Amino acid sequence: DIVLTQSPDSLAVSLGERATLNCKSSQSVLYSSSNKNYLAWYQQKPGQPPKLLIYWASTRESGVPDRFSGSGSGTDFTLTISSLQAEDVAVYYCQQYYSLWTFGQGTKVEIK
Amino acid sequence: EVQLVESGGGLVKPGGSLRLSCAASGFTFSSYDMNWVRQAPGKGLEWVSSISSSSHYIYYADSVKGRFTISRDNAKNSLYLQMNSLRAEDTAVYYCAREGQGASYYRDWGQGTLVTVSS
Repeated sequence: DIVLTQSPDSLAVSLGERATLNCKSSQSVLYSSSNKNYLAWYQQKPGQPPKLLIYWASTRESGVPDRFSGSGSGTDFTLTISSLQAEDVAVYYCQQYYSLWTFGQGTKVEIK
Repeated sequence: EVQLVESGGGLVKPGGSLRLSCAASGFTFSSYDMNWVRQAPGKGLEWVSSISSSSHYIYYADSVKGRFTISRDNAKNSLYLQMNSLRAEDTAVYYCAREGQGASYYRDWGQGTLVTVSS
C-alpha cells in the first residue's frame, strides 16, 4: 500500500503570507506512460465535506483561486497558498490515486 | 448541478448491520465510477470502497473487506454500502464521492451520513 505522509501536522501563518504544505509518498505516483502524477489535494472546512483543489499534482480545479498551486513529482509534492486569506483556514489532505486510494493524515492551517 | 445525498446512517450495536444509500443527480450516473470514503470523529479521511460504472470492478480497503459490500443501481441513480459485523472503529461520517471522468480523483462529494457503532 502507498503511504502518504504530510508535513507539518499544523501550520500557523499570518494573513497575506505564504503557506507551504508538503506530502511525501512511500513510492512514486508518476505514471511513466502518461507522465502524470496521480496526486490530488483537498480542502476540508469544519462540518463540510472535502473540496477538490488540485489534481494531477498541479492542475487547479475550476473555480479554485489562483493563490492555490500544486507542484512536485514522483514522491514529493507541495501545496502552496501564496497569500493566506481568512477563508483558507481548513485541513488540507493529499490523496494518491495511482494504486487504489490513500490520503495523507492532513495538515491544519490556522491564522497566526 | 451535481448532487450526492447520503442516507441510512444511525446508531447500531456492535455486530449489527446497516445499509447506506447515496442518491445521485445532475449527471449521468451510469458513466462514473463511485466511491465511499469515511472519516472517524476528529480524524482524517479513509477510502473504504470503489465500484466502476458498470459494477465490473469493485475494490475494498483491507479494514472492511469481507464485512462491507458496495453496489449500485444505475436505473435508480443510486449507490449503496451494505455494512455487516460492525465494530466500534467503523464509527464515522461516510461520504459518497464521484470520480472525475477518466481519472480517479474525487471531483464531487456528498454531505455525509454519520454511523455510530456503540452498545
